[in-house]
Amino acid sequence: TQLLEQSPQFLSIQEGENLTVYCNSSSVFSSLQWYRQEPGEGPVLLVTVVTGGEVKKLKRLTFQFGDARKDSSLHITAAQPGDTGLYLCAGVRAGKSTFGDGTTLTVKP
Amino acid sequence: NAGVMQNPRHLVRRRGQEARLRCSPMKGHSHVYWYRQLPEEGLKFMVYLQKENIIDESGMPKERFSAEFPKEGPSILRIQQVVRGDSAAYFCASSPWVLAGESRTDTQYFGPGTRLTVL
Repeated sequence: TQLLEQSPQFLSIQEGENLTVYCNSSSVFSSLQWYRQEPGEGPVLLVTVVTGGEVKKLKRLTFQFGDARKDSSLHITAAQPGDTGLYLCAGVRAGKSTFGDGTTLTVKP
Repeated sequence: NAGVMQNPRHLVRRRGQEARLRCSPMKGHSHVYWYRQLPEEGLKFMVYLQKENIIDESGMPKERFSAEFPKEGPSILRIQQVVRGDSAAYFCASSPWVLAGESRTDTQYFGPGTRLTVL
């Protein structure tokens, strides 16, 4: 049973477009992280959200944690080719992290 | 990724050999996690260790796989008698286990991974 569902699984867009990636669960998490992974490398932490309803911004990236702490979204404004990569969400519950299967984003110039 | 070291970065083994993967956590981190990743898939939890203790090994195959995190030295993930299905990227992450208010944040910092290929 997959505790964390990420959607879409694949996303291919043109440079300059906006996009949203979703991370959904029926479980409540004490915190949730978003990572970005490039081919051949390990995941790099983008943000940690802890409080229900929390919104964090990182330049063109906006992260939101659902009020009930069961879901999260990542919105990218004016995507650039450098945003290309695998985006992973990870929910922490009872001290254990569970990862979604990721969203593979391709931004074409 | 800065600070978490994994070696080797690439490892090739023949079926039946042993594979040893090493992970040095970030300075000051006493919690280590091992994950396996297949191509175009997410990370699958294997084991969580603190110094000298295995806290959660629910993701570890029951046979051939073992992990340790000794008082001194790196954490080791050991795979005995490797099979082709063991080919994957293995990632280590470390955490300081910081308490933030009433919530535990388990932010994990990942190493670059070891890519195991079994011939």
